[in-house]
Amino acid sequence: QSVLTQPPSVSAAPGQKVTISCSGSSSNIGNNYVSWYQQLPGTAPKLLIYDNNKRPSGIPDRFSGSKSGTSATLGITGLQTGDEADYYCGAWDSSLSAYVFGPGTKVTVL
Amino acid sequence: EVQLVESGGGLVKPGGSLRLSCAASGFTFSNYNMNWVRQAPGKGLEWVSSISSSSSYIYYADSVKGRFTISRDNAKNSLYLQMDSLRAEDTAVYYCTRGYSSSFFDFWGQGTLVTVSS
Repeated sequence: QSVLTQPPSVSAAPGQKVTISCSGSSSNIGNNYVSWYQQLPGTAPKLLIYDNNKRPSGIPDRFSGSKSGTSATLGITGLQTGDEADYYCGAWDSSLSAYVFGPGTKVTVL
Repeated sequence: EVQLVESGGGLVKPGGSLRLSCAASGFTFSNYNMNWVRQAPGKGLEWVSSISSSSSYIYYADSVKGRFTISRDNAKNSLYLQMDSLRAEDTAVYYCTRGYSSSFFDFWGQGTLVTVSS
């Protein structure tokens, strides 16, 4: 049972928008930064969003992050077939003194 | 270019030991926290352990506490994970990651597979 919760899957047609939610508590998302990771099939995860809403160099602005209270959201606009991947949220949990990941969300481009 | 290259994975019997290594290059290794994250076959990501830049702070997931030991050698730009009393549920790809504070992991290695089976 993950400390953070995410929907198992989301899908949309090419060019459309998807959002992925990540819900936690005051000990993790509520009081710490959230990051998001993209894992393409057969590859290592890659940092997509850090500090709730910042994009590393090279990440297109089609990807965005936001946080409100104890929940965070990843948005992907202009969906492309190359965006088909698993997406994970993560945050430090101050009560557990551990980093926690969500269970992951599979994005499917219809 | 930041590079993290893991090694040391393989097949080990339950109760056995294995030592993973991660060779870092392309950045000032001694300035960064480092971490191990694992992924069981077909499963999600699981944080395993973190070590601060000077080894002053070390954290472990409850699932490995008392069995795994993280360490680093800043002179050799290397990160290690000593894994003892291995169990079948430790079977996973183990990723070496560079950390920024305790907030995120900005670079990941390609991973090394550990299989615990008799």
